[in-house]
Amino acid sequence: AQSVTQLGSHVSVSEGALVLLRCNYSSSVPPYLFWYVQYPNQGLQLLLKYTSAATLVKGINGFEAEFKKSETSFHLTKPSAHMRDAAEYFCAVSENTGFQKLVFGTGTRLLVSP
Amino acid sequence: ETGVTQSPTHLIKTRGQQVTLRCSSQSGHNTVSWYQQALGQGPQFIFQYYREEENGRGNFPPRFSGLQFPNYSSELNVNALELDDSALYLCASSFTGDHGYTFGSGTRLTVV
Repeated sequence: AQSVTQLGSHVSVSEGALVLLRCNYSSSVPPYLFWYVQYPNQGLQLLLKYTSAATLVKGINGFEAEFKKSETSFHLTKPSAHMRDAAEYFCAVSENTGFQKLVFGTGTRLLVSP
Repeated sequence: ETGVTQSPTHLIKTRGQQVTLRCSSQSGHNTVSWYQQALGQGPQFIFQYYREEENGRGNFPPRFSGLQFPNYSSELNVNALELDDSALYLCASSFTGDHGYTFGSGTRLTVV
């Protein structure tokens, strides 16, 4: 079964600083990988997804992620944090075992201080 | 195009009761999946419906059941509610074979 590990349940940065949220996956086949953001009391919004095209994936709100097969990683970055980026971020892998489903990590809460 | 709509947004039920949650899928999508997100956790897959039949299930007991209708909307039913069923329930629609999932805003269920 595929799985996702997110290192760090909380990450704190200052406004304007680099954001780096870590995600490692376990998959026996080329994976489809996703990053979602969840604001308080809301559902999940797709930031970006990797579907075996370019290894550097650009998403919304200035986020991007790089697929590194050798490291089984799909870390999320943003050059300059903004206060509105404070939210919970989930990495997920799409698993296909006769049907498709998403397997999520446990999430990383991003805190942005002024 | 319309997104995924879930109702109600919040619900409080008593232990032992039954609950029905509803989801309208995004236009053009034919598959609906349900996820349970407990407080402080990532979403966990409950089951998926395609062509009005359940075609995949996660590690949830049979008291979690569902339906999909001809217009691809869906219901999640939970019988004999337990305190641990308190969670945010998320519905996601997709098109079969396409790795694109659109999530609704969720229903917050509290069991007391």
